[in-house]
Amino acid sequence: DTGVSQDPRHKITKRGQNVTFRCDPISEHNRLYWYRQTLGQGPEFLTYFQNEAQLEKSRLLSDRFSAERPKGSFSTLEIQRTEQGDSAMYLCASSSQTGYTEAFFGQGTRLTVV
Amino acid sequence: GQQVMQIPQYQHVQEGEDFTTYCNSSTTLSNIQWYKQRPGGHPVFLIQLVKSGEVKKQKRLTFQFGEAKKNSSLHITATQTTDVGTYFCVTTSNTGKLIFGQGTTLQVKP
Repeated sequence: DTGVSQDPRHKITKRGQNVTFRCDPISEHNRLYWYRQTLGQGPEFLTYFQNEAQLEKSRLLSDRFSAERPKGSFSTLEIQRTEQGDSAMYLCASSSQTGYTEAFFGQGTRLTVV
Repeated sequence: GQQVMQIPQYQHVQEGEDFTTYCNSSTTLSNIQWYKQRPGGHPVFLIQLVKSGEVKKQKRLTFQFGEAKKNSSLHITATQTTDVGTYFCVTTSNTGKLIFGQGTTLQVKP
């Protein structure tokens, strides 16, 4: 297992289009997180799964964002009707469920909305 | 909701100087994790502190957790150019969410 992988690494899309990103966590990790990061800012929480259950979703997100984690394995993050303000790095992280453990981040998907 | 405030936002030092970043919360924290993000990279875990007054060292890096578990610091002795990056303090909410501080970006002049 080589760690958390995200696909694609880069995505350029036109405003109004839908985009979907994929995250493959470390195989034995139960927890999976999605964060968004813009230049010069810290990661901003989007949503969090424990196995296949979506436990929390940021109230900052509009209904255009949705995430799934079928069967508790990989996860997808979809953004509908993209806006220029959605341009950011989308980071996925995973961790084991036991206590407080470190999170492993993927290299991210950089989204540019033109 | 729970927040962690981190200062300073930026720090420029001459190579060989020391560097410290501070993390504070108005509420008691369950834990503090520290991550480093290199320019163009993703956050990488450095260490976790869970006990009141805990101090941990990694070579030139010293991490402290306050007695009241409301603050933490990361101190780098004799900075090197390889220390460049943004350092984040992170805590875990009672629901398991990772809460990030704003980060301190360190620049080191050779």
